[in-house]
Amino acid sequence: QSALTQPASVSGSPGQSITISCTGTSSDVGGYKYVSWYQQHPGKAPKLMIYDVSNRPSGVSNRFSGSKSGNTASLTISGLQAEDEADYYCSSYRSSSTLVFGGGTKLTVL
Amino acid sequence: QVQLQESGPGLVKPSQTLSLTCTVSGGSISSGDYYWSWIRQPPGKGLEWIGYIYYSGNTYYNPSLKSRVTISVDTSKNQFSLKLSSVTAADTAVYSCASLYSGSYGFDYWGQGTPVTVSS
Repeated sequence: QSALTQPASVSGSPGQSITISCTGTSSDVGGYKYVSWYQQHPGKAPKLMIYDVSNRPSGVSNRFSGSKSGNTASLTISGLQAEDEADYYCSSYRSSSTLVFGGGTKLTVL
Repeated sequence: QVQLQESGPGLVKPSQTLSLTCTVSGGSISSGDYYWSWIRQPPGKGLEWIGYIYYSGNTYYNPSLKSRVTISVDTSKNQFSLKLSSVTAADTAVYSCASLYSGSYGFDYWGQGTPVTVSS
């Protein structure tokens, strides 16, 4: 089962905005609204940041936003802060009731 | 708030079966709103979805692992379990259980994860 495609790394300076892409196919990202994004700090469990493409769970900063166009979903972090430095993963529902993760993106705050 | 805790051996021999249990507290595993899932992360690598189960027993597996995976549920103990057969070194990973909200297919609660090493 092939993973969704994410850039291996992105970086930005404090206060800037960055965007992480997540590319799939019409059988996953492009075909359903069920795209989620997770933040994972080293040695910690992943944390749900975005669900249903663009919805934020309670308690997640509004600096985090999600969107989708065609087969590519995106996570944007605005007003970058040092604490945002982490690994980020997308996931999507895929046909036949399966799920798939992206390969992960390491965000470095310069 | 739902909490999940994995338990099981941290070392498994090649060709044997890996067995882990996830205990759910703070909520009922029989809640119709959730699926209960296993995810793993090899050292230095990304997340891999293994499979999920509904409280009724319906299961859904990663096609690449399907021939070796069994997920079961014990509603009386509020637990669900993972069995992965014929393990190799490639199955060495941190194994985590998580709740999967059926309305969004988002993993909203996670266990802390348990490391499993496959080695003789």
